[in-house]
Amino acid sequence: DVVLTQSPLSLSVSLGQPASISCRSSQGLVYSDGNTYLNWFQQRPGQSPWRLIYKVSDRDSGVPDRFSGSGSATDFTLEISRVEAEDAGVYYCMQGTHWPLTFGGGTKVEI
Amino acid sequence: EVQLLESGGDLVQPGGSLRLSCAASGFTFSSYAMSWVRQAPGKGLEWVASIRPSGDGTFYADSVKGRFTISRDNSRATLYLQMNSLRVEDTALYFCARNYYFAFWGRGTLVTVSS
Repeated sequence: DVVLTQSPLSLSVSLGQPASISCRSSQGLVYSDGNTYLNWFQQRPGQSPWRLIYKVSDRDSGVPDRFSGSGSATDFTLEISRVEAEDAGVYYCMQGTHWPLTFGGGTKVEI
Repeated sequence: EVQLLESGGDLVQPGGSLRLSCAASGFTFSSYAMSWVRQAPGKGLEWVASIRPSGDGTFYADSVKGRFTISRDNSRATLYLQMNSLRVEDTALYFCARNYYFAFWGRGTLVTVSS
């Protein structure tokens, strides 16, 4: 199974400051169609997860442009350019390239 | 607007069975793969099972293989998860999500396995 290791486990950020979360995969995530199915999700307290980024760097509809994704092969990063209060929650990476589908352990962001 | 509404969660004894449902609306259900993802209390996300758009292919996490069955009724735009031989460790909030990349999620339904 593909293991996704997120770091840090938790992050305390001041309003307006940047934040960065790393996701490292135990295997390469390039699929046979050339796409890399690495996604990022945000889960606010008491809410369902919400997908922010798909295929490494494509932002979902309605996601603020302060969120961006980057990376390739086995190393991926989610960045928040200027943290806002509503960004508090847990962030998960997830890979959809290999079965079984797997999630990272999560990174808790506190503002 | 895409909506996914799970139901069927309950308190059940170890070894018992439960069937979860997920009613979909706001999109062409029969065109999309669907998935179940769970979250144990205070824990992270765990993929459980997925099913192809026509239902002709299913995929399971090792932790539920042989005990859970995912199915769908495209005429009713509804996704199901039949859970048998339930264990204490199956206690979780169960979400249904659209496709293999979880573009949309429901609010979840709580399954508690306890004696």
